[in-house]
Amino acid sequence: GAGVSQSPRYKVAKRGQDVALRCDPISGHVSLFWYQQALGQGPEFLTYFQNEAQLDKSGLPSDRFFAERPEGSVSTLKIQRTQQEDSAVYLCASSLGGGRSYNEQFFGPGTRLTVL
Amino acid sequence: AQSVTQPDIHITVSEGASLELRCNYSYGATPYLFWYVQSPGQGLQLLLKYFSGDTLVQGIKGFEAEFKRSQSSFNLRKPSVHWSDAAEYFCAVGKDSNYQLIWGAGTKLIIKP
Repeated sequence: GAGVSQSPRYKVAKRGQDVALRCDPISGHVSLFWYQQALGQGPEFLTYFQNEAQLDKSGLPSDRFFAERPEGSVSTLKIQRTQQEDSAVYLCASSLGGGRSYNEQFFGPGTRLTVL
Repeated sequence: AQSVTQPDIHITVSEGASLELRCNYSYGATPYLFWYVQSPGQGLQLLLKYFSGDTLVQGIKGFEAEFKRSQSSFNLRKPSVHWSDAAEYFCAVGKDSNYQLIWGAGTKLIIKP
C-alpha cells in the first residue's frame, strides 16, 4: 500500500492477556517509530528502529512492552500481561531516512487498545 | 526538559473565519518545530515544519505558522477555514535527532456552519 498500515485497528483485551500489534511501514523506509497516545493527549514516544536495529527504547513504560522489527520492515509491538493503564491508541510511523537528520514521519491510523 | 503547551483544548470557529492555534515550547536551543493534523480515523499528517531560516513557514492546505523566538511560540494560522479543517491539531518539538518528538496535548478545532 501507499501508506503506513496497522492491524488490528481495534483490540479489546482482558487484563492479563498478551497482545501483539502490527505495523507495516512504507516500503523502503529506514526508520520506524512507535508512539502511545492516551485519550486527550498527544502521542508519547515509545521506541525507534533504524532498519532492524532498535536504537532507542527509552520510552517503553515497562518491561512488559517489547518491540521488534526482525527484517527491517514489518514491526510488532507486544504487550505482555496487559493492564488497564495500557489502554491507549498505539501509533506507528515510518520515515525514509535514518540517523540524526529530520525526515518527515508518516503515521499509520493507529490501533486502539482497550484493556478490560 | 523540553515541553510543548497548547493552551486551548478546543476552539470553535465559523466557516470562512480566520484561525490561530497557539503553541508554546520550552527548549534551550533553536528547536525543530512541527504542526500535525489528526482527522478521525486518519493518521497524523504533517502540515508544516520549521528548522531554520525564514520564521514564517507555509504548509499544506493553506496553513502557515510563525516562529517567534522571543515568545517561544509557533502559532498556526489560516486566513479562512473550511468545514473540512475540523480535526485535532498537534504541535511538536524535536531535538536535534529524528526521533523523540515531544508533543502538545492537541487542540480540537470545531467549525460552525
